[in-house]
Amino acid sequence: GAGVSQSPRYKVAKRGQDVALRCDPISGHVSLFWYQQALGQGPEFLTYFQNEAQLDKSGLPSDRFFAERPEGSVSTLKIQRTQQEDSAVYLCASSAARGGRPTDTQYFGPGTRLTVL
Amino acid sequence: AQRVTQPEKLLSVFKGAPVELKCNYSYSGSPELFWYVQYSRQRLQLLLRHISRESIKGFTADLNKGETSFHLKKPFAQEEDSAMYYCALQTGANNLFFGTGTRLTVIP
Repeated sequence: GAGVSQSPRYKVAKRGQDVALRCDPISGHVSLFWYQQALGQGPEFLTYFQNEAQLDKSGLPSDRFFAERPEGSVSTLKIQRTQQEDSAVYLCASSAARGGRPTDTQYFGPGTRLTVL
Repeated sequence: AQRVTQPEKLLSVFKGAPVELKCNYSYSGSPELFWYVQYSRQRLQLLLRHISRESIKGFTADLNKGETSFHLKKPFAQEEDSAMYYCALQTGANNLFFGTGTRLTVIP
């Protein structure tokens, strides 16, 4: 079956523009994660959903970042008034795990490379 | 606070030589540790997890709680092992904490 997909794969934005990044998780996966990967760094956690509930948003760097998963499937990460420091690869991952169960494998999407000029 | 350290950004070995990618972690609780790999032009994927105690593509990793390490080892490196390797720690929450990664190059 299809893996995690993300769109767009590349996005160039002018400083101050708003952007929206989409993630389609593996069908039936309960958990969905967003990570930010700056150049030369490992992925850093942004936020986590279990179905439609956003259970952890402690990694979002500022209130310009907003994520939603209204129907418990597709998720959108929105960045308002983009800044140059937002330039990074944004990774989405999904897993079948529910909270409290043993950890399950996270399957990653190809990422969206955001460049803010 | 949790932390994952991969001291080597770059590592080069000759084909057939042993390889060890180092990973140290800091976490006060009981950790779950993973190695993820990213081959050229491919997405990040799980290589192995300590809880499974398995060998994948000839790689093994042993959790050493005394030294807080989870080094990745393979006795005979192959060219197809060239990739970016990330060590990751999962705490009681569900998210992963990644190290900065080690780029392994296997020289033919």
